[in-house]
Amino acid sequence: KQEVTQIPAALSVPEGENLVLNCSFTDSAIYNLQWFRQDPGKGLTSLLLIQSSQREQTSGRLNASLDKSSGRSTLYIAASQPGDSATYLCALGGGADGLTFGKGTHLIIQP
Amino acid sequence: NAGVTQTPKFQVLKTGQSMTLQCAQDMNHEYMSWYRQDPGMGLRLIHYSVGAGITDQGEVPNGYNVSRSTTEDFPLRLLSAAPSQTSVYFCASSPTSGRSDTQYFGPGTRLTVL
Repeated sequence: KQEVTQIPAALSVPEGENLVLNCSFTDSAIYNLQWFRQDPGKGLTSLLLIQSSQREQTSGRLNASLDKSSGRSTLYIAASQPGDSATYLCALGGGADGLTFGKGTHLIIQP
Repeated sequence: NAGVTQTPKFQVLKTGQSMTLQCAQDMNHEYMSWYRQDPGMGLRLIHYSVGAGITDQGEVPNGYNVSRSTTEDFPLRLLSAAPSQTSVYFCASSPTSGRSDTQYFGPGTRLTVL
């Protein structure tokens, strides 16, 4: 059974810093890996999707990487802003079987 | 284009009551799914559907029923609510269940069972 771990569980950094969120998984037989953002009391918003054949994806200040051989993904956030404060979830896709989620990293960007 | 919509936003039930959580999408997506989110557990898949008339069980299906009579709607039924079903429920959809398909989530239904 796929297990997804996100480290750290919580992170607080000053505004402007670059930061890295980590996601590790146990089974490399995946369709894709997605990073989501969840604001308090809200649904999930997809940030980036990396297909199993890809190594990274970029969107604005966000860059996500995927290394299947080591079972790891990272989400890099450049020049962090207070509006980036949220919970970030990593999820692995196995096709029709849906997504397997990590428990998330709660990020606070201090103004 | 409203995306994925869920009703109600909040619901309080008594043990043993039944209810239906509604989910609809207007993007003509084939794949729809239901997740529950519990503190310390992350999101877990309840049921999913790859198209109208086709449903299957996820990781935690017990106590829940689903049907998919149309492409747009995927309701989740609680047959006899239990306190263990207190959770936040999210519906999601994607064009297919393929490798390149991003999943779109609804805003969630917060359910409390007393």
